[in-house]
Amino acid sequence: DQQVKQNSPSLSVQEGRISILNCDYTNSMFDYFLWYKKYPAEGPTFLISISSIKDKNEDGRFTVFLNKSAKHLSLHIVPSQPGDSAVYFCAASANTGNQFYFGTGTSLTVIP
Amino acid sequence: SAVISQKPSRDICQRGTSLTIQCQVDSQVTMMFWYRQQPGQSLTLIATANQGSEATYESGFVIDKFPISRPNLTFSTLTVSNMSPEDSSIYLCSVVSGGTDTQYFGPGTRLTVL
Repeated sequence: DQQVKQNSPSLSVQEGRISILNCDYTNSMFDYFLWYKKYPAEGPTFLISISSIKDKNEDGRFTVFLNKSAKHLSLHIVPSQPGDSAVYFCAASANTGNQFYFGTGTSLTVIP
Repeated sequence: SAVISQKPSRDICQRGTSLTIQCQVDSQVTMMFWYRQQPGQSLTLIATANQGSEATYESGFVIDKFPISRPNLTFSTLTVSNMSPEDSSIYLCSVVSGGTDTQYFGPGTRLTVL
């Protein structure tokens, strides 16, 4: 039972344009959401998070949007750079520090 | 954030053998976890490593197959026992660093079972 879903396994974007990665969840108890970036042969690296009391969180080129009614979050990367090419996982948690549920990942390719 | 190291970074093992993976953190952390990422799949939580007590396993994972130790607040081991090719995966430890709600991951151990 996949509680966190990333329906796009891959995405290609031109350098300088916006990358939008989407994530849907089913559990209404989730109150904390994170995005991780993973390069091949490395562990996931924390990118940005958002708690359910907010609908937007911004950190440099990365912005995460949360739509609680739709149980949907998205990660926007503007402008996209070739170094952003990686697999992006979204994750959700219902309790602080406890189990995190991960999506299956979206492979982003930024074309120079 | 905590700095996490894992050993070995990769290994190729024969069916029926066991491998112990080590996870070392540069600071004391309350929560440590072990995950598995099978090819083309998401990260799946194996267990929560509890300091001074038995690990808490998720559904589908058992102590006999994945014994875990956590002797202190900076170190944990995961053993993959009696391996089969289906155990070929990336194994990752993660921690929740003090004062945050975020999990940070080690670099992973890539295991191939022949």
